[in-house]
Amino acid sequence: TAGITQAPTSQILAAGRSMTLRCTQDMRHNAMYWYRQDLGLGLRLIHYSNTAGTTGKGEVPDGYSVSRANTDDFPLTLASAVPSQTSVYFCASSPEADTGELFFGEGSRLTVL
Amino acid sequence: GENVEQHPSTLSVQEGDSAVIKCTYSDSASNYFPWYKQELGKGPQLIIDIRSNVGEKKDQRIAVTLNKTAKHFSLHITETQPEDSAVYFCAATLSYSSASKIIFGSGTRLSIRP
Repeated sequence: TAGITQAPTSQILAAGRSMTLRCTQDMRHNAMYWYRQDLGLGLRLIHYSNTAGTTGKGEVPDGYSVSRANTDDFPLTLASAVPSQTSVYFCASSPEADTGELFFGEGSRLTVL
Repeated sequence: GENVEQHPSTLSVQEGDSAVIKCTYSDSASNYFPWYKQELGKGPQLIIDIRSNVGEKKDQRIAVTLNKTAKHFSLHITETQPEDSAVYFCAATLSYSSASKIIFGSGTRLSIRP
């Protein structure tokens, strides 16, 4: 069972360039999330989607955008990357938005130079 | 705003001994408290959870306790083994109609000494 697949696993990006991190799940979960993980700061929510067609802002949304055209896919886009966006990004899903139990992908390590 | 504090940030225990990680939360309406284990290079994985109507839950060598009055909850690992070495995250979740708000602690790096 694939669960949640993230791509790429690792990327080096020049500042000012755009980048889309892909996330696909095959569990038919309604809710999906994007977190960033920085040393000493744990997991911080960037954007979320409670169901296909809806999105919302999390704790640190600035500089990021998301879309949820269908149930399975939840891409995260950096329109113009900055060095402070260097981080490990995790996509997660949950059966329902009010469940609270998250299933995480393996992460995408992004370095912005 | 809502906050979850987790202690300690690092913990080293002898193999076979017990490990305890503690978290406190600020939103008294939080009603679901999961714990995640993150191994090196992988995403976090749910290992145990507890809901607000329960004071303690156990699953083999791991247990979680919840004190709603004091707004703190703890993870207990007994008879620790090398494979328990990982980063552990607590979270406090406020679930309501059609949505939930999940706040994570900053993590505890647990090392098991052979």
